Amino acid sequence: AQSVTQLDSHVSVSEGTPVLLRCNYSSSYSPSLFWYVQHPNKGLQLLLKYTSAATLVKGINGFEAEFKKSETSFHLTKPSAHMSDAAEYFCVVSDPRQAGKSTFGDGTTLTVKP
Amino acid sequence: DTGVSQDPRHKITKRGQNVTFRCDPISEHNRLYWYRQTLGQGPEFLTYFQNEAQLEKSRLLSDRFSAERPKGSFSTLEIQRTEQGDSAMYLCASSSETGANYGYTFGSGTRLTVV
Repeated sequence: AQSVTQLDSHVSVSEGTPVLLRCNYSSSYSPSLFWYVQHPNKGLQLLLKYTSAATLVKGINGFEAEFKKSETSFHLTKPSAHMSDAAEYFCVVSDPRQAGKSTFGDGTTLTVKP
Repeated sequence: DTGVSQDPRHKITKRGQNVTFRCDPISEHNRLYWYRQTLGQGPEFLTYFQNEAQLEKSRLLSDRFSAERPKGSFSTLEIQRTEQGDSAMYLCASSSETGANYGYTFGSGTRLTVV
């Protein structure tokens, strides 16, 4: 079984300040982990992925995430928020042994204040 | 290639009616996935195809739901005798290999409202 918990349903930051979106996962195997972003009225877009290579993963638009096995965490960070980062963010866990199913968290809404 | 396309973008239907949604994946992708997203929740897995074979179905997919991918290209998702609880965003995604390793490319979704 696999599950993912996004610890904050809403995060609000000021433009130019750091972003931290928290994600904890549970799995009985070595998972693949992803972050997706969903802007209003648009499809989900892959931000970055961890698939058992480097534990610090760089994605698009300046986002990074660090896989910490001991803490079962995969938090998403960005040094400086931009207004265009305002969106819904989803953390996802997948079992590489099973081709089909991925489990999504409930999402974190990021608000960026000017 | 313009990515994953879903049609229609919005569908309003009366309870009890049947609806069908279409998904056109990225042409070179052999894997196709259907997810459902309700307000305030993350997407939930419904089913997935490798080429034309439906390899996994969620228990969320009741007998009223059926999905096909007849030629390994586009896919359809049909809901029979719709209920108000079926109101949701239905998302289609595709990937070239297992999405568990590479991630998905999602379409913009079909928003279903059952009245």
